[in-house]
Amino acid sequence: ETGVTQSPTHLIKTRGQQVTLRCSSQSGHNTVSWYQQALGQGPQFIFQYYREEENGRGNFPPRFSGLQFPNYSSELNVNALELDDSALYLCASSSSGSKSSYNEQFFGPGTRLTVL
Amino acid sequence: AQTVTQSQPEMSVQEAETVTLSCTYDTSESDYYLFWYKQPPSRQMILVIRQEAYKQQNATENRFSVNFQKAAKSFSLKISDSQLGDAAMYFCAYRSAYGSGLGKLTFGQGTILTVHP
Repeated sequence: ETGVTQSPTHLIKTRGQQVTLRCSSQSGHNTVSWYQQALGQGPQFIFQYYREEENGRGNFPPRFSGLQFPNYSSELNVNALELDDSALYLCASSSSGSKSSYNEQFFGPGTRLTVL
Repeated sequence: AQTVTQSQPEMSVQEAETVTLSCTYDTSESDYYLFWYKQPPSRQMILVIRQEAYKQQNATENRFSVNFQKAAKSFSLKISDSQLGDAAMYFCAYRSAYGSGLGKLTFGQGTILTVHP
C-alpha cells in the first residue's frame, strides 16, 4: 500500500505565473483535501474534492482551482501567482462512506512553492 | 466559524519527562472531532491522537493522552516519557461532524516542542 505522494517537492515561480501541483491519493481513498501552510503557521484549508467534484472550499480566491481524476489523484492550480502564495502546499487523502471515515486523513509530504 | 488557538508558541522538555501542550477552540456545534498532529522537519503531518466530542472518556495512545474538557472547550495533549523523536511542531485541529464541514480540518498556529537529552 503506497502512501500519499506529491510532486514536485520544491518549485520556484515568479509573480504572475501559473503553477500546477499534483497529489496521488493513498490506495483506496476517494477524497482529497488541499491545504496551504505559510511558514511557521498552521495549515489553512483550500478545498476538498470527492468523486471528481469540489466538495467544500475555504476562504481562497477563484484563482485557486483544482481537479480530481477518475483514479482519485488530484491537481491544485494557482493562477496569477502573488508573493503571498509562497507556502507549503499539503494534500491529504481519505475515504468517504461514513462520518467517522473522514477521521483518517493521510497527508503527503507537501510541495514547497516560492514565488519571487 | 470555528477557531483553534494554541497559546504556547514553544515548549521544551527534558528527555523522559512529561510535557503538556495546550489548545482551546471555539464552536457552536455539539458534535465534532479534535485531533493532535505532529509535523517533524520532514514536513509530513502525522496524526498523533483523536477525540470524539460525544465521548467523555479521554483518548490515549501509548505515551500520548489528552485532557478533553468540552464545557471549557479545552483539549490539551500530554506526552509522557518524552523521547528525542517527539521533537516537532504540534498542531491541534478541529473537524466538524456535519455537512460541508466534513473533511475540513481547522488548525491552530502550532507549538514547537524541543526535547533536551
